[in-house]
Formats: sequence, C-alpha cells, structure tokens
Amino acid sequence: QSVLTQPPSVSGAPGQRVTISCTGSSSNFGAGYDVHWYQQLPGSAPKLLIFGNNNRPSGVPDRFSGSKSGTSASLAISGLQAEDEADYYCQSYDSSLSDVVFGGGTKLTVL
Amino acid sequence: QVQLQESGPGLLKPSETLSLTCAVSGYSINSVNSFYSWGWIRRPPGKGLEWIGSMSHNGNTYYSPSLTSRITISIDTSKNQFSLKLRSVTAADTAVYYCAREKRYSSGSYLLSCGQGTLVTVSS
Repeated sequence: QSVLTQPPSVSGAPGQRVTISCTGSSSNFGAGYDVHWYQQLPGSAPKLLIFGNNNRPSGVPDRFSGSKSGTSASLAISGLQAEDEADYYCQSYDSSLSDVVFGGGTKLTVL
Repeated sequence: QVQLQESGPGLLKPSETLSLTCAVSGYSINSVNSFYSWGWIRRPPGKGLEWIGSMSHNGNTYYSPSLTSRITISIDTSKNQFSLKLRSVTAADTAVYYCAREKRYSSGSYLLSCGQGTLVTVSS
C-alpha cells in the first residue's frame, strides 16, 4: 500500500485531456512537501516530467502540467498522443516515515 | 549532458551482497558547485518505484528507513562514480535498479535523471 494513492489506470483518445490524481496526507503534501511527477515508457528509465508541483524541466512539452492543493495533487496531459502511453508516478517526501515516497503508479492507455 | 550508467552482476543467491556501480559522465561529482546528490531507486517486477537512498557530494547520506540496516551508498570521486551495496539479499530484492541524480532542497527532493537500469535477480 503506497503512501501516495494513484488510480491504477486511466485512458483517453488522441487529442483528449486526461488527469491523474495523487492523494497524500498531512505528513507529506499537507506538511508542505512538494510533488514531482515522472513518466516511465515501457522498457525505459523514469523521466522527470514535473518538479516542485508545477514546473516543467527543459524539453518537456507544455501539454504536461501539474498542480497541488492541500493533500492532493494532479497531473494533466492535454492533446493526448500515442507516445504518451506510459506509467506515471507521483513522488514526495513523508515526514512521518522520514522517507522519499512514490505513488503506486498509473498506467495511461491511449485508445 | 549528464549521463549515468549502471554496472554489476545480474544474478545473486539469497544472503549474498548486491554491489552496483554507477559511472557518471558529463559532470564532475566532486564539483565544488554541485547541488546534487547521487542515489538509487528500484522497480520490482510488476510493482512500482521504490527509493533506496542517496549521498550528497559532501558525504551526507540519506537512506530509506526500510533498507537502512542493509545498504551503503558511497562515492568515488577519483573515478567519478558512486556505488550501492545491499547486504543479505532475498527474492524480494529482485528488481530493476536505477542510479539517479537527485536534487535536494527545503521542500523535498526529486530525481533529475536516471541511468537506463540494470536487472538484478535473486534466486537460489
């Protein structure tokens, strides 16, 4: 059971917008720790998509956006493309566990 | 461009010690202006990502509480590489292991980049 809760799967058609939720608690998001998001394509290493709640590293398309409010966070992907099909993970720090924590991951399927 | 490359044995027997090395190119770990820590994550088959630990350029270590009794992360500045040792492995340690460049700050930490990963299987 992950400390950060993500839906196991989401899907959308090309061109659509999807969101992936990440639910935390008072010991991570609620304590002020930031959320970060990663994309892991099949057979590849995790790639940083969003850092510090809503910042995109250089090279990440602006179709990807992040937000955080209270004890929840979300990743939005607009203009869905076939190459977006991947596993997506949220990540933060948990002060109760004194540990870096990941969500369980969400598999995005592009229909 | 900073690149990371893992190396190490892919098959271990239960109770053995896992030893992995990550070679860094395109950046000097020993840089006096380094803002990075160097660490490891893993992904067991059919499961999600798990953070293992990291070490800053000035020697501070940060380990996952669930693994702290079994792991050691070290940096070899002369070879511009860092290493992971995980003692007393079991089948539950079977995973793809990734080395990573980590940014730590007041509101947490995140992984800037990862190596391509190496599969480690623990089996008798």
